[in-house]
Amino acid sequence: NAGVMQNPRHLVRRRGQEARLRCSPMKGHSHVYWYRQLPEEGLKFMVYLQKENIIDESGMPKERFSAEFPKEGPSILRIQQVVRGDSAAYFCASSPTVEMSTEAFFGQGTRLTVV
Amino acid sequence: GIQVEQSPPDLILQEGANSTLRCNFSDSVNNLQWFHQNPWGQLINLFYIPSGTKQNGRLSATTVATERYSLLYISSSQTTDSGVYFCAVLGNQGGKLIFGQGTELSVKP
Repeated sequence: NAGVMQNPRHLVRRRGQEARLRCSPMKGHSHVYWYRQLPEEGLKFMVYLQKENIIDESGMPKERFSAEFPKEGPSILRIQQVVRGDSAAYFCASSPTVEMSTEAFFGQGTRLTVV
Repeated sequence: GIQVEQSPPDLILQEGANSTLRCNFSDSVNNLQWFHQNPWGQLINLFYIPSGTKQNGRLSATTVATERYSLLYISSSQTTDSGVYFCAVLGNQGGKLIFGQGTELSVKP
């Protein structure tokens, strides 16, 4: 029973390029949450998705960031035209229910470095 | 929204010492978890503890939901305990976990 799987583990992009981060939830989970951790800070909520729906995107920057969770395949967090300030660790969690009221497990994260 | 405050922000211990980390939250919660982020950045689940007391080896945790705080106890600390400890809560409005700023623990040999 694999946990939450994220890839890649490390991603280096030049300024202006696009970054795509993938998250496969735990088996049987249909709800995915993305968090961002800037250096020396805690985790900040970005977006919550259910299959084919965005439920809460209150933590997403208004520009350049988008997320999807298609019917088939992993959830994707997409960052267009990356800037140095996007360098961070991006974590994904999944849950079987509409909210994180049961124990939440996080993936190992993707560390994005923008050069 | 719900506020989560952790204390102390930093803690340095000699190996073998005990410590208590605190998490205060501003509203009733449906979920509270403690995580350890190791020096490699991985988030390790320690406790799922919306109320009551749990123990796992040298670690234990207590949440007093009515008084809106949780405590994480580390006994006989080891250098491998170093890292950042996060408390995260789910408020009654539901949705997502809200994280505190963490306590950075350094255990010296």
